[in-house]
Amino acid sequence: SAVISQKPSRDICQRGTSLTIQCQVDSQVTMMFWYRQQPGQSLTLIATANQGSEATYESGFVIDKFPISRPNLTFSTLTVSNMSPEDSSIYLCSVASRANTGELFFGEGSRLTVL
Amino acid sequence: AQSVAQPEDQVNVAEGNPLTVKCTYSVSGNPYLFWYVQYPNRGLQFLLKYITGDNLVKGSYGFEAEFNKSQTSFHLKKPSALVSDSALYFCAVRDKGYQKVTFGTGTKLQVIP
Repeated sequence: SAVISQKPSRDICQRGTSLTIQCQVDSQVTMMFWYRQQPGQSLTLIATANQGSEATYESGFVIDKFPISRPNLTFSTLTVSNMSPEDSSIYLCSVASRANTGELFFGEGSRLTVL
Repeated sequence: AQSVAQPEDQVNVAEGNPLTVKCTYSVSGNPYLFWYVQYPNRGLQFLLKYITGDNLVKGSYGFEAEFNKSQTSFHLKKPSALVSDSALYFCAVRDKGYQKVTFGTGTKLQVIP
């Protein structure tokens, strides 16, 4: 397993502002994943972040809205830009098992509320 | 395409009784199947997985799940529910030849004292 630390754990933001979420892993990993969990809903993959290359975004998510950095093998950031109330969600960072059998390990999540 | 269905939004069970949380899946190839649990205001925790082999897999906190290929199901079970098992449970699937994991909509388990 991996220990994943996210911050902030929660924040209240004003419409039109941007917020950057940080994710730190206790071991080197190739891929890091960013998920969104909207209130009462399941997890939706936003993008996959590989070190040394641009993130790969899922359908419905764009780099201008959710820019991602991956400066090294243990750290990534997700920025939620120009926020609106619809962006109020829990944002989760995760990494895959080293055995490549698919299970994911998650951070505690960052709960954003946009007013 | 791959998908997961959790037909029950909520399951209520009395403490000490057996519990089942249902999950069915669809993949084009061989599935990797997972269960996760989410406690209030927490991230997701991995419970168990099916990759290959024995259809009955055991995981954390006394949970187990049975892979049924003919019914494309992977139901989560526990012989005796605890109040502390009350949480949100997610089933997930990954096609063996595909990197992306797809999550179900989640089932809220309420164990009644």
